[in-house]
Amino acid sequence: SQQGEEDPQALSIQEGENATMNCSYKTSINNLQWYRQNSGRGLVHLILIRSNEREKHSGRLRVTLDTSKKSSSLLITASRAADTASYFCATDVNTGNQFYFGTGTSLTVIP
Amino acid sequence: EAQVTQNPRYLITVTGKKLTVTCSQNMNHEYMSWYRQDPGLGLRQIYYSMNVEVTDKGDVPEGYKVSRKEKRNFPLILESPSPNQTSLYFCASSPSWATNEKLFFGSGTQLSVL
Repeated sequence: SQQGEEDPQALSIQEGENATMNCSYKTSINNLQWYRQNSGRGLVHLILIRSNEREKHSGRLRVTLDTSKKSSSLLITASRAADTASYFCATDVNTGNQFYFGTGTSLTVIP
Repeated sequence: EAQVTQNPRYLITVTGKKLTVTCSQNMNHEYMSWYRQDPGLGLRQIYYSMNVEVTDKGDVPEGYKVSRKEKRNFPLILESPSPNQTSLYFCASSPSWATNEKLFFGSGTQLSVL
């Protein structure tokens, strides 16, 4: 069964607006990562957050982690057309060495 | 340039005809992995390798084989492809198997089995 699930499945916003996507997972984790995929291409790592961290920032990206709710959110501020892509969360389980990817959120930023 | 190289980018084949998708990384990474991506199902892990000669099954290993004879290469073998293996395949590598390391992905191989 899938460990991570993103929500919403699709999101369409105007350029300049903020985009928020969420990831929920089922079992305890050590680390959670967010990746970006441009149309059919390979995934690119965005940010990693550890289970003992609550928030991390990288440029226009802000990631939060709530281990009590087993959820994470990715916020992209001041979105640009170039942010149009699919975004995936990847979670491990604290007994394993594999990552489990969700089904992704497809973000469209309209110029 | 540090990269993961997959070949071919596109492949059309027929049921039962053995094929190999190659994957090579130039970053001296210990960990390598294969995923398939299908609409509505996200990425699912097929096989992974924590080092040379060490491989293990992921979530969907049926119908696939792998080998890790050299650190840089991790080919994916379909001995007798079937239409349900039509998918977008990705190879990924990481410095180690620790999950606080980020994965580096190849550009993908779109496979169609007729």
